[in-house]
Amino acid sequence: AQKVTQAQTEISVVEKEDVTLDCVYETRDTTYYLFWYKQPPSGELVFLIRRNSFDEQNEISGRYSWNFQKSTSSFNFTITASQVVDSAVYFCALASGSGGSNYKLTFGKGTLLTVNP
Amino acid sequence: DAGVIQSPRHEVTEMGQEVTLRCKPISGHNSLFWYRQTMMRGLELLIYFNNNVPIDDSGMPEDRFSAKMPNASFSTLKIQPSEPRDSAVYFCASSFGGAETQYFGPGTRLLVL
Repeated sequence: AQKVTQAQTEISVVEKEDVTLDCVYETRDTTYYLFWYKQPPSGELVFLIRRNSFDEQNEISGRYSWNFQKSTSSFNFTITASQVVDSAVYFCALASGSGGSNYKLTFGKGTLLTVNP
Repeated sequence: DAGVIQSPRHEVTEMGQEVTLRCKPISGHNSLFWYRQTMMRGLELLIYFNNNVPIDDSGMPEDRFSAKMPNASFSTLKIQPSEPRDSAVYFCASSFGGAETQYFGPGTRLLVL
């Protein structure tokens, strides 16, 4: 069975601080995909990144960076120099499964990030 | 390009009424998903269509829920009769394939009184 754990329910930081959101996943499949989505107060779900299990390279996109470590089954997300607009719920998700069932996204419960001015 | 389009954005109805939610996927995408988000259960996959065919409806709560995809550019999720416990945000998402990135619509906030 697939499982995604986001242990941090809520995080509050002051603007310009760096913040890391943790994500730990469980799967028995060797091929899988990891995602991060952002849900701002307006409610939509915004795609941020997709990673496959064979690509452990870390990725940086502007102030965002992701650290994928298969050894610890983690896919952590760091926001550098946070801004008020980063305030949102962030979801980590896992898609895995054999026999064509790897469409199922298993979501973590989300981390509410509040960035205070 | 337009993203996933959902309508209505908000729906308030009374228990027992029929509710129809609509979705237009991103052009060219062949996979469509309906999700429900509640505080208690988080984001749950309700049904998955590939090339307009329902592949997995194991997440559909019960017979009161039904979904259709008559063509590549339109899908509906119907609840009949609606109950207060159906109150949630319903998201539609689409992708180029089952394992590809799913892009979500803005959601429909449903309140059943």
